[in-house]
Amino acid sequence: DAGVIQSPRHEVTEMGQEVTLRCKPISGHDYLFWYRQTMMRGLELLIYFNNNVPIDDSGMPEDRFSAKMPNASFSTLKIQPSEPRDSAVYFCASSFSGGLGPLHFGNGTRLTVT
Amino acid sequence: GQQLNQSPQSMFIQEGEDVSMNCTSSSIFNTWLWYKQEPGEGPVLLIALYKAGELTSNGRLTAQFGITRKDSFLNISASIPSDVGIYFCAGPETQGGSEKLVFGKGTKLTVNP
Repeated sequence: DAGVIQSPRHEVTEMGQEVTLRCKPISGHDYLFWYRQTMMRGLELLIYFNNNVPIDDSGMPEDRFSAKMPNASFSTLKIQPSEPRDSAVYFCASSFSGGLGPLHFGNGTRLTVT
Repeated sequence: GQQLNQSPQSMFIQEGEDVSMNCTSSSIFNTWLWYKQEPGEGPVLLIALYKAGELTSNGRLTAQFGITRKDSFLNISASIPSDVGIYFCAGPETQGGSEKLVFGKGTKLTVNP
């Protein structure tokens, strides 16, 4: 079991640039979640998918954020254009038991927007 | 949405000491989960609680589901340096037909050797 794999581990970009974060969930898991972690707000759920279909995107902060899951083994979170306040650690997590956990988290992507 | 309040926010202890932290909710939960996050990694599930009054152990860790269903406690006995990290409580929130986990803001634990 390779766990949830996220890439890149670190991303530094300039304001206005497009950022794409990637996630490969654990094979067999049918739920995928994107969380954002900041000191001020803690862990916030942005969006989650069930069987590749977006179920709840109410946590997506703005239209600048979008997420896709083209197949069961891959998801992307895109920010376009990026802003300094988007700086955070973004986690992907997967599970086979829905939103009640247990969630298996990746090691996150630390995004810095200058 | 539901809010989870964790206390204390941070703890600085000596190796060997016991640790106690708690989590309270503004509403009733049917499940309580405790996660640990180590530096540079994602949270990892430690203990899951599904029944009011339940007491569950995982090695030196013990967690309890409060009788009121609005709180939970996590205790660590005989702490060691590798216990360092941020401990999060989490519970399911149902909103608009969607179920999702909400997390507290964590208790940051530092263990001095």
